[in-house]
Amino acid sequence: GAGVSQSPSNKVTEKGKDVELRCDPISGHTALYWYRQSLGQGLEFLIYFQGNSAPDKSGLPSDRFSAERTGGSVSTLTIQRTQQEDSAVYLCASSFSSGGAYTQYFGPGTRLTVL
Amino acid sequence: KNEVEQSPQNLTAQEGEFITINCSYSVGISALHWLQQHPGGGIVSLFMLSSGKKKHGRLIATINIQEKHSSLHITASHPRDSAVYICAVGDSNYQLIWGAGTKLIIKP
Repeated sequence: GAGVSQSPSNKVTEKGKDVELRCDPISGHTALYWYRQSLGQGLEFLIYFQGNSAPDKSGLPSDRFSAERTGGSVSTLTIQRTQQEDSAVYLCASSFSSGGAYTQYFGPGTRLTVL
Repeated sequence: KNEVEQSPQNLTAQEGEFITINCSYSVGISALHWLQQHPGGGIVSLFMLSSGKKKHGRLIATINIQEKHSSLHITASHPRDSAVYICAVGDSNYQLIWGAGTKLIIKP
C-alpha cells in the first residue's frame, strides 16, 4: 500500500518490559514524526526526523524512550522498562518535508497497553 | 483552495494585547488540533477540540462545527507566547491536515 504503516497494531505488555514499535513511512517522504495520544488527550509530539539531520528529540518524555530511523526510511520507537503511564496510541506520520505547510500522513497507530 | 486555512499568516503585537488566530477548514473532521511550534522546532499540542470551547491558562480555543471555523485566543499576551501556531484537522483515519501556521511575535 502507499500509506504509512505501523506494527504491531496492538501490543499488550507487562510493566518493566521493553517494547519496540515500527513505522514504515510513505516512500519519498523525508520527514517522519512520532506522536502519542493518551485516552481523551491531544496529540503529544515525541520526536521527528528530517532527512539526515539530527532528530529533534525535545518531546521524548524520559530517557526510557528512544527512536532511530535507518537509511532515512523505517523508524523504530523503543520504550524501555515500560510503565503504566506509557499506555497510549503511538502514531507515526510522514510528510514530504517538515513544517506546517506540508500535510502529514498518519499511520493507523499502535495501541500500547502496559499492565 | 487549501483544505485548512489560517489567518493571519503573520501577527505582531505588543505585550498585553488580546490575540486571535483563525482557522477555517473545508473537510469533514473528527477533531481539530491547535499546536504551538517554537523556533527550535518542537511541537506542543495545545488543544484538541471536537465541539465547543476549551480554556487552559491564558489560552482559549473555540470551534463552530456548522461554520467549520475555529479560533485560538491568547489573553494578556507575553513575549514568551511568540511562536508559530498551527491549526490541524484530523479525520477518522488519523490523517492530519495542517494549516500553514501563524507566526506570532509579541514585543515587550
